[in-house]
Amino acid sequence: AQRVTQPEKLLSVFKGAPVELKCNYSYSGSPELFWYVQYSRQRLQLLLRHISRESIKGFTADLNKGETSFHLKKPFAQEEDSAMYYCDQGGADGLTFGKGTHLIIQP
Amino acid sequence: ETGVTQTPRHLVMGMTNKKSLKCEQHLGHNAMYWYKQSAKKPLELMFVYNFKEQTENNSVPSRFSPECPNSSHLFLHLHTLQPEDSALYLCASSSPGTNEAFFGQGTRLTVV
Repeated sequence: AQRVTQPEKLLSVFKGAPVELKCNYSYSGSPELFWYVQYSRQRLQLLLRHISRESIKGFTADLNKGETSFHLKKPFAQEEDSAMYYCDQGGADGLTFGKGTHLIIQP
Repeated sequence: ETGVTQTPRHLVMGMTNKKSLKCEQHLGHNAMYWYKQSAKKPLELMFVYNFKEQTENNSVPSRFSPECPNSSHLFLHLHTLQPEDSALYLCASSSPGTNEAFFGQGTRLTVV
């Protein structure tokens, strides 16, 4: 079965510090990887996808097939980045979400 | 607004009640999902429908019964629930072409 691993349940960093949310996937084919974000009291929404290779709200994520990783990074955290982040592997079986990482940005 | 609509937004029900949650999307997606989101627990996949056929049932108790009458609508029928079933129930849909998921705002369910 496909599996997505987000090893950190909770990550707390200070404002202005770099952020890295880890994600490892298991799909052996060509995965489609996404990061979703859920801000407090808002719906889960797409943050970015690896195909587009874009930067959203200062976040980037690079697919590393050798390490089967898709870590989410931001060089300087902002308080509004506090949220739940889910890594998702969309393969032949559909969506496979990680367990999520709660990111807290301290002032 | 993502194009996925869930009703009701909030529901309080007794343990002997029967109720249904509804999800609707007109995005042309072929896959629809039910997720359970509980406080302090990871997102749990409950059911998956592809082209109206149930393709996954993640060991969900029979007191939860899904129904997908067409590719635009998904229901979750509830009966004799337990207080621990109180949670946010999320519906999502995706297209096989992109696999991007679109989520509804969820139904906040409280079982009393």
